[in-house]
Amino acid sequence: GAVVSQHPSWVICKSGTSVKIECRSLDFQATTMFWYRQFPKQSLMLMATSNEGSKATYEQGVEKDKFLINHASLTLSTLTVTSAHPEDSSFYICSARVPGLAGTGELFFGEGSRLTVL
Amino acid sequence: AQSVTQLDSHVSVSEGTPVLLRCNYSSSYSPSLFWYVQHPNKGLQLLLKYTSAATLVKGINGFEAEFKKSETSFHLTKPSAHMSDAAEYFCVVSDQSSASKIIFGSGTRLSIRP
Repeated sequence: GAVVSQHPSWVICKSGTSVKIECRSLDFQATTMFWYRQFPKQSLMLMATSNEGSKATYEQGVEKDKFLINHASLTLSTLTVTSAHPEDSSFYICSARVPGLAGTGELFFGEGSRLTVL
Repeated sequence: AQSVTQLDSHVSVSEGTPVLLRCNYSSSYSPSLFWYVQHPNKGLQLLLKYTSAATLVKGINGFEAEFKKSETSFHLTKPSAHMSDAAEYFCVVSDQSSASKIIFGSGTRLSIRP
């Protein structure tokens, strides 16, 4: 099946710094990728839809300037948490659709990135 | 409008006994339905999917799910639980006419007793 790689798996940073998380589709081109945030023992919360070559679409309540999304190529989307604070600590997961399967809604997920802000 | 309800937040079974994780959905159009599994600190892995073909869907690791339109259900089953099945399970629905909208259930944590 299609593989989505997410990096880093774990990251610890100091409050006030910025952290970049990468999401790559390894064996297919993804025009659309999705970024989720997951709190402990909860479901995934969609943060934004990343579109290659255009601006991301953010869900209501998600700060665009806080969570910068760039989808510069058909295989890479990045999420940058700017000026991170302890409340930004969370598990962040990306997913992508495979062209040809997009009509079914099936998603392929990265392994997730655990962010801890001290 | 679409929605998905996972009826149990936590299910605990003994190893070797059957597993039943319940999911009910609502969708205005023909839905696609999925079950994903998430192990701790990991991403989600697709177990199985229904996309308007056979109503009984077989997935990986011995899991099955049956799409019942009359009951708007898509329950996940496995005849015999294994310790490695302990994880979080998510039922997901998307609208085939507009797959841009994907709705996640709240998740069911499956525990396996030795």
